[in-house]
Amino acid sequence: GESVGLHLPTLSVQEGDNSIINCAYSNSASDYFIWYKQESGKGPQFIIDIRSNMDKRQGQRVTVLLNKTVKHLSLQIAATQPGDSAVYFCAERTPLVFGKGTRLSVIA
Amino acid sequence: SQTIHQWPATLVQPVGSPLSLECTVEGTSNPNLYWYRQAAGRGLQLLFYSVGIGQISSEVPQNLSASRPQDRQFILSSKKLLLSDSGFYLCAWWSGGNSPLHFGNGTRLTVT
Repeated sequence: GESVGLHLPTLSVQEGDNSIINCAYSNSASDYFIWYKQESGKGPQFIIDIRSNMDKRQGQRVTVLLNKTVKHLSLQIAATQPGDSAVYFCAERTPLVFGKGTRLSVIA
Repeated sequence: SQTIHQWPATLVQPVGSPLSLECTVEGTSNPNLYWYRQAAGRGLQLLFYSVGIGQISSEVPQNLSASRPQDRQFILSSKKLLLSDSGFYLCAWWSGGNSPLHFGNGTRLTVT
């Protein structure tokens, strides 16, 4: 499982720019990945998921890219808005394994 | 549609006092249920999970315990709280397979 001993990495983005949040995973057998958004004082909220038979999946203003060769996952947010400010987590198939999260700050 | 409820939203308790946090899920049957703790500025730490009534698995030995008296009810308890039990507690449910975990809005516990 993931360690919870480190502080969260941060990403600051100008409003209107695109954001890219990255995540690495270790289990090459993982076949399903999920991105969550957590606003201050709230529980994580599901954003988008992707199965391992796909390289890319798009939602509303969000795109998830999966590179199984290097075991890397990214979340792209188009035209970032102040309401996108939150902590973003990636998770592997099992609900037991979460990434440490990245804090996205949007500069108006 | 499925919903998950956690209460209370915030709680301030003295050291040594008991704790009971409750979580209920609506709109689904036989979900897997989870308790996570999140320290300030940190990731999610899994505490307990349950695959059915009366079935509890502990991921981290600690001062807390969990129970599942009904299919859609999950309770986190402590007989005597420690300062280190302070944190943000999240309940979640999962229907299995390739589907996401769904979280409640959490309980902010401060032990003084």
